[in-house]
Order: sequence, then C-alpha cells, then structure tokens
Amino acid sequence: AQRVTQPEKLLSVFKGAPVELKCNYSYSGSPELFWYVQYSRQRLQLLLRHISRESIKGFTADLNKGETSFHLKKPFAQEEDSAMYYCALSPPFETSGSRLTFGEGTQLTVNP
Amino acid sequence: DSGVTQTPKHLITATGQRVTLRCSPRSGDLSVYWYQQSLDQGLQFLIQYYNGEERAKGNILERFSAQQFPDLHSELNLSSLELGDSALYFCASRFRNTGELFFGEGSRLTVL
Repeated sequence: AQRVTQPEKLLSVFKGAPVELKCNYSYSGSPELFWYVQYSRQRLQLLLRHISRESIKGFTADLNKGETSFHLKKPFAQEEDSAMYYCALSPPFETSGSRLTFGEGTQLTVNP
Repeated sequence: DSGVTQTPKHLITATGQRVTLRCSPRSGDLSVYWYQQSLDQGLQFLIQYYNGEERAKGNILERFSAQQFPDLHSELNLSSLELGDSALYFCASRFRNTGELFFGEGSRLTVL
C-alpha cells in the first residue's frame, strides 16, 4: 500500500528563517514524488517533482530512499510562502488504478 | 491556468438535494480524478477514471457517483446532500497514470 505522512499540520517561522517541511512515504518500489502548494484554498499547483530536481521559488526537495523521505526545504522563508503544502506519491509506472496519494498537508505560516 | 475547467465555481443548496459538478480535463488527458477537501480534513481521494472507465475508488460515499464521457469530460453527482458534504471538490487530470496531476479551480459546495 502507498502512504504519505506529513507529521506537522502547522508550521510557523519568521521571515528570513530556514524552513523544512517533512514528508515520509511508504511504498515498495521507487515511486514518483511531488510537492504541491495551495494558496488560500485555491487550486493546487505543482511546486516540485523529484525527477526534475529543480529549484522552484527557492524550494528544493531531496529524495532519500534510505529514510523514505522527501522533505521540502527553503533557506530563507518569505511571507508569500505562507500556504498549504502537500506531499504526494505516485507509482512510477502505469498501472490500472494508479493514483496520486496525498499527505494530510502542512500549513506554513511565515511571520514578518 | 492549468487547463482543467470546473463548473460551477460556487454552489449553494439545501439538504436532501442533488447536484452535479462538471470537469473538463486538459486537452489530451485521459485520466480524471476527483478529490474532496473539507475544512477539517485534507484532500480525500474520491474516484478516478481513465478513458471512460472507472479505475480506482477511494472514500466515495454511496450517495455520490461519477462518470467520464466519450469526450473525456467528467461529472460528479452528489445526492441526498447532508451538511457534512459542504466542501471544495477538485477535479484533476493527467495524460495517463503517471506524472503530474493538473488541478482545476474547484467547485465550492455549501449545503444549508
């Protein structure tokens, strides 16, 4: 079974401070992993996917297969980063019924 | 703009009523997913369709049903509505069963 755990429902930091949003997953194999962001209950937008290894809006995420984690990091948080962040997992190949499984989300608040 | 269109954006109705939410996926996307987002819960996966066929079912109530039509648009039918059905309902699509999900803006349902 595939499962995503985001241990922190709420995370509050000050502007300019580093931020790390934790994500752990359970999947027997090598899944695709994603981070989605949702501003003010608008549509979810893709922030990062582990395959591309990009840095978007200063965020990075490293896949650690040994620890089955995909934590999201940013060295200097900005107020506009305040949003809900979801970690998600998808099987790496096409299977019948393949779906994206989301964690419960972490609400990040960046205080001035 | 993700290319996924959902209508209506907002809907207010009474308990016991029935509503239909509509989703047009991105051009060429075969997979359509429905998610429910309540205030006190994260994203709950409801159901997935792939090229007109149901492929996966999540926590979808028996009062809810969905289908995907030959032109690939999808409809989510919610009947015998209860107060607890008030939520944001998101539709998302992707080309097949792997890769990034593209989300619509959501349909905000309020049951009074």
